[in-house]
Amino acid sequence: DAGVIQSPRHEVTEMGQEVTLRCKPISGHDYLFWYRQTMMRGLELLIYFNNNVPIDDSGMPEDRFSAKMPNASFSTLKIQPSEPRDSAVYFCASKDRRRLSSPLHFGNGTRLTVT
Amino acid sequence: RKEVEQDPGPFNVPEGATVAFNCTYSNSASQSFFWYRQDCRKEPKLLMSVYSSGNEDGRFTAQLNRASQYISLLIRDSKLSDSATYLCVVTYSGGGADGLTFGKGTHLIIQP
Repeated sequence: DAGVIQSPRHEVTEMGQEVTLRCKPISGHDYLFWYRQTMMRGLELLIYFNNNVPIDDSGMPEDRFSAKMPNASFSTLKIQPSEPRDSAVYFCASKDRRRLSSPLHFGNGTRLTVT
Repeated sequence: RKEVEQDPGPFNVPEGATVAFNCTYSNSASQSFFWYRQDCRKEPKLLMSVYSSGNEDGRFTAQLNRASQYISLLIRDSKLSDSATYLCVVTYSGGGADGLTFGKGTHLIIQP
């Protein structure tokens, strides 16, 4: 398996622009997570899906952030409008829900810079 | 009280030495435990799962102490390439998303 695939790897945009991050989870994994990581705040869970359904979005910073999972193999995280404080590395991760002992697998991340 | 706690370090250790660090968890219902390694500007990667009886993978040994609610990671004969941040992860059945909870990580620096 190719693992969790994220795109783009890097994104540089100007404040106010829309940003869309993409993720393809590992085939067969029921859980999909979006995390954000910064030096100051560490790894933060933004939202997670179970079988394509958003379960907990309490970590989403504000209404500028939205996430969708239209099917089992694709998810997006959108920021509109983007702000400089959104600059961070955004990770997507997936997990097999059927086994508690199965680990979380991360994608390579998208490094977002908002100027 | 934080659910999963780690000493952030940094731990500065000479090459070849043995180093160990712990991770404490507050939920006694926790069931699965993992150590992840994260290199600078990279994604966290699974280092090893932690089994009840303890387990070893080469120079790495992981142990679980349920009575005191902590897991440990021991690295023998440390290499320069072991320099990284080590994250512990705890899960429990019945929690949202399996109750996946990350520690903040322990930063390890192996010095030549």
